[in-house]
Amino acid sequence: GQSLEQPSEVTAVEGAIVQINCTYQTSGFYGLSWYQQHDGGAPTFLSYNALDGLEETGRFSSFLSRSDSYGYLLLQELQMKDSASYFCAVSSIYRDDKIIFGKGTRLHILP
Amino acid sequence: DVKVTQSSRYLVKRTGEKVFLECVQDMDHENMFWYRQDPGLGLRLIYFSYDVKMKEKGDIPEGYSVSREKKERFSLILESASTNQTSMYLCAITGTSNTGELFFGEGSRLTVL
Repeated sequence: GQSLEQPSEVTAVEGAIVQINCTYQTSGFYGLSWYQQHDGGAPTFLSYNALDGLEETGRFSSFLSRSDSYGYLLLQELQMKDSASYFCAVSSIYRDDKIIFGKGTRLHILP
Repeated sequence: DVKVTQSSRYLVKRTGEKVFLECVQDMDHENMFWYRQDPGLGLRLIYFSYDVKMKEKGDIPEGYSVSREKKERFSLILESASTNQTSMYLCAITGTSNTGELFFGEGSRLTVL
């Protein structure tokens, strides 16, 4: 089966940097992706890692270590609008893109 | 822009009723998914489909069935709704770039009384 672990809540200060970790267990790992969801909205895609290393997209970066079954999402220069839930998700090659999500991390940003 | 449309934003049904949730996409994509989202549990995969008339069970298929007669439409069916199926239901499709990106509909909030 597949399972993902991520912290349930993280708190950070506006302007700071925060890292949200995700560890996973899966057979046939293909890639790790990250989603953001604001209250009342649908999840929106942030980033994707299939290979080890860091992917940067503006203020957001995502890292993957396949050997450690671990990844993280790094948010820099935090803004109040970044207050949201963040989900990591794994895709598997064994089931035609079956995509399983973690339980989500609620990010609280303090002014 | 990718468009994923879910037929109803809010539904209220009674225990034992049959419920249909419809999802339509306009991008001719193969893979379509149904998730339910509950506080503290994240998004849990119910069923997915990678082609017309093809379906695969997700992690929580019990109490649900699906139908995909046409490529653009993926329906989630609750044969006999129960109160523990009160939830937010999200339909999603994958893009064509094989980047793990899912495009979600706005969601259907189902309440079963």
